[in-house]
Amino acid sequence: SQQGEEDPQALSIQEGENATMNCSYKTSINNLQWYRQNSGRGLVHLILIRSNEREKHSGRLRVTLDTSKKSSSLLITASRAADTASYFCATDRNQFYFGTGTSLTVIP
Amino acid sequence: EAQVTQNPRYLITVTGKKLTVTCSQNMNHEYMSWYRQDPGLGLRQIYYSMNVEVTDKGDVPEGYKVSRKEKRNFPLILESPSPNQTSLYFCASSLLSGDRGRAFFGQGTRLTVV
Repeated sequence: SQQGEEDPQALSIQEGENATMNCSYKTSINNLQWYRQNSGRGLVHLILIRSNEREKHSGRLRVTLDTSKKSSSLLITASRAADTASYFCATDRNQFYFGTGTSLTVIP
Repeated sequence: EAQVTQNPRYLITVTGKKLTVTCSQNMNHEYMSWYRQDPGLGLRQIYYSMNVEVTDKGDVPEGYKVSRKEKRNFPLILESPSPNQTSLYFCASSLLSGDRGRAFFGQGTRLTVV
């Protein structure tokens, strides 16, 4: 399988702290995307970073991409209880390949 | 509103009884796909389609069929469901290009096969 692998599998932090999730993948990519899933619901797109980009910001989200290491990280700053969800990276190379996800719990 | 619509949201069926889960998108996307989500395994792709009448197997196609007769619809067919197909299913669509952009997901279909 070419799917990505997120790390850690689960993360629990206090509200206001930063949360960092990592994603590793196996093949060359066109772009890498991060999605969020609230329990049992559909995935919602958060941010896309192209293979020629190294860092991208969107509100409290910061994504980095290191194509030499085939890895990406998602940083959520000043976390809120509402950020509690599972987060998935997806690599796009003709098809979308999703990782197994990081389950984030933000404790109020 | 741009959306992917799946039906039904919940389904309980018996082993061997054929069923179809519908998926429709209103964004004129070329690419559509089906995933199943199981605890600890993430999203695994079942089938995908790059355009009308063009479908291909994903990572876990056994026991499933799809068709793409119209651009907007991509139904998932289980000819003879078995308990190991109990799962949460998602349909997704996106543009088809070298730099595809985001995928839009349906709300999911929770299937239980008894």
